Amino acid sequence: KAGVTQTPRYLIKTRGQQVTLSCSPISGHRSVSWYQQTPGQGLQFLFEYFSETQRNKGNFPGRFSGRQFSNSRSEMNVSTLELGDSALYLCASSLGPGNLATQYFGPGTRLLVL
Amino acid sequence: DQQVKQNSPSLSVQEGRISILNCDYTNSMFDYFLWYKKYPAEGPTFLISISSIKDKNEDGRFTVFLNKSAKHLSLHIVPSQPGDSAVYFCAASNNAGNMLTFGGGTRLMVKP
Repeated sequence: KAGVTQTPRYLIKTRGQQVTLSCSPISGHRSVSWYQQTPGQGLQFLFEYFSETQRNKGNFPGRFSGRQFSNSRSEMNVSTLELGDSALYLCASSLGPGNLATQYFGPGTRLLVL
Repeated sequence: DQQVKQNSPSLSVQEGRISILNCDYTNSMFDYFLWYKKYPAEGPTFLISISSIKDKNEDGRFTVFLNKSAKHLSLHIVPSQPGDSAVYFCAASNNAGNMLTFGGGTRLMVKP
């Protein structure tokens, strides 16, 4: 069974640009969550999607947005990139809300903003 | 305001001995707790979890203890193996979907 897939794995952007990251969940999983990992702030929750609806949102500015498609694949977008957006962005999928013990993380997309 | 804290950034243990990783939380609404293991360049891997209605959960070499009154949980690994060397994160949920609040992580090094 294929795991959670994230593309691209590595990305370099410059300040002011925008970026779109993609996440393909495990087959049959309908919940997708996104996290940002930085050395200073650790792992922080960005948002959670289920059935194409955002269920929860973390404490991030409006420059961070996401969406989920009917096949459960998800994308997140960061507009007007800042240096502090450099981070590892992790996606996790599970069968549905509340299925935390069956939540699997992808390998992440490492974003570097110059 | 860090709602979940792991006060030890690193821990070194001899192979075969017990590893004890600690985690404290402040939000009394948290009712489900998880431990994850993470290797560099990989996403976290789920290890073990515990509901707030329990005080102990065991799975093989891994045991998680929860002390609700102290808002403290710990992960015991017995016996520790070199392959256990990784960064361990505790995480908490308040039953609001799949939103997790993570601690800062503890790097465990198990020496042969």
